[in-house]
Formats: sequence, structure tokens, C-alpha cells
Amino acid sequence: AQSVAQPEDQVNVAEGNPLTVKCTYSVSGNPYLFWYVQYPNRGLQFLLKYITGDNLVKGSYGFEAEFNKSQTSFHLKKPSALVSDSALYFCAVSRLKAAGNKLTFGGGTRVLVKP
Amino acid sequence: DTEVTQTPKHLVMGMTNKKSLKCEQHMGHRAMYWYKQKAKKPPELMFVYSYEKLSINESVPSRFSPECPNSSLLNLHLHALQPEDSALYLCASSRSGGRDDSYEQYFGPGTRLTVT
Repeated sequence: AQSVAQPEDQVNVAEGNPLTVKCTYSVSGNPYLFWYVQYPNRGLQFLLKYITGDNLVKGSYGFEAEFNKSQTSFHLKKPSALVSDSALYFCAVSRLKAAGNKLTFGGGTRVLVKP
Repeated sequence: DTEVTQTPKHLVMGMTNKKSLKCEQHMGHRAMYWYKQKAKKPPELMFVYSYEKLSINESVPSRFSPECPNSSLLNLHLHALQPEDSALYLCASSRSGGRDDSYEQYFGPGTRLTVT
């Protein structure tokens, strides 16, 4: 079985300050980890993924994430948050089942960036 | 083109109606998915199609019936729904339909369904 936890329902940060959204996972074997963002009344947008290699992954819109195997974490970070980063963020891990790709999502973290 | 399109954007239907949701992608992706998402919750997987064949059904009630007419299209047929089925229905696609789960999924904007 696999699971993903996002311990914070909401993160508040001032514009220009660093943003961190936490994610921990539990999976047997090597994980494939993803971050998605969802704006109101929209679908999910892919931000970045960790498959293998460098533990620091860079993605879209200035976001990056660090894979930490010993802590089973994959925290999303942005050095300087923008008001437009306010959205719902989902961490996900993939698991092979039959053919295709099944994602297990965390519960989501709402990010509010204040001017 | 990294776009997944869904129609309609909004749908209101009675419990005795029959309606269909449509999804289309032109990225050459071989896996397509239907998700159900309630407000402020993560998406819940409903169905996965791999190479146009149903590969995963997450024990979805039979009032939801998926169909994959070709590699670019995915439909979700709805019949005799319940008010608790009201949700945002998301379609997604990914490059690989095979035993490689490293590819990200691309999501459409969703259909907001209200069952009255």
C-alpha cells in the first residue's frame, strides 16, 4: 500500500517570502513523486516530479522540490512567493497497477499568499 | 499542444436523465483517466484506459459507464445519478499506457456536475 500525507491544510505566507509546502510519503520500493497545483474551478496542473537522480528537482513557475529518502519527504519550495501562487497544492505518488498509472494524492494544502 | 479539453463545462441533470461527459486530447497519449473531485478534496480515481482498453475500474457504480472510442477520446456516460454524485469530474491523460508509471498526467479543466 502507498500513502501521501500533507500535514498542513493551509499555509499563509507574505508575498516575497519563501514558500514551503510539506509532503511525506509511504511506499514500498522506489517512489515516483509529483506535485500538482489547482486553481479555483480548474483542473490540476503538473508542476514537477521526482523519478530518479538529483534529489533537487526544478519545475514550472520557479517551484522546486527536494526528495529526502531518509525522511520520506518531498517538500515543495519557492524562494519568493507571489500572490498568484495562491492555490491548492497536491502531492502525489504513483503506483503501478495493471497497465497505466495510478496516482495516490495527499489531502491537499491551500496556499494563501498575502500582498 | 499539452491540452486536454472537456465538455461541457457545467452540467445540471435530474436523477432520471442520461447524459455524457466528453474528453479529448491530441498529445498522442496512450492512457486516459476519469477522476471525481469533491470540493476541497483530492481527486479520486474512477477509471483508467490504457491503449483504449479499460485497465482499472475503482469499483465505480454502474450508473457511471466509461467509453473510449479511439485513442484521443474518452466519454463518461451518466444514468440515474444520485445527488451525492454532484462533483467536478476531471479527465486526464499520460504518455505511457504501459507498465511505466513515471509519466505525469495532464488534466482537463473538468465538468462541474450538479444532480438535482
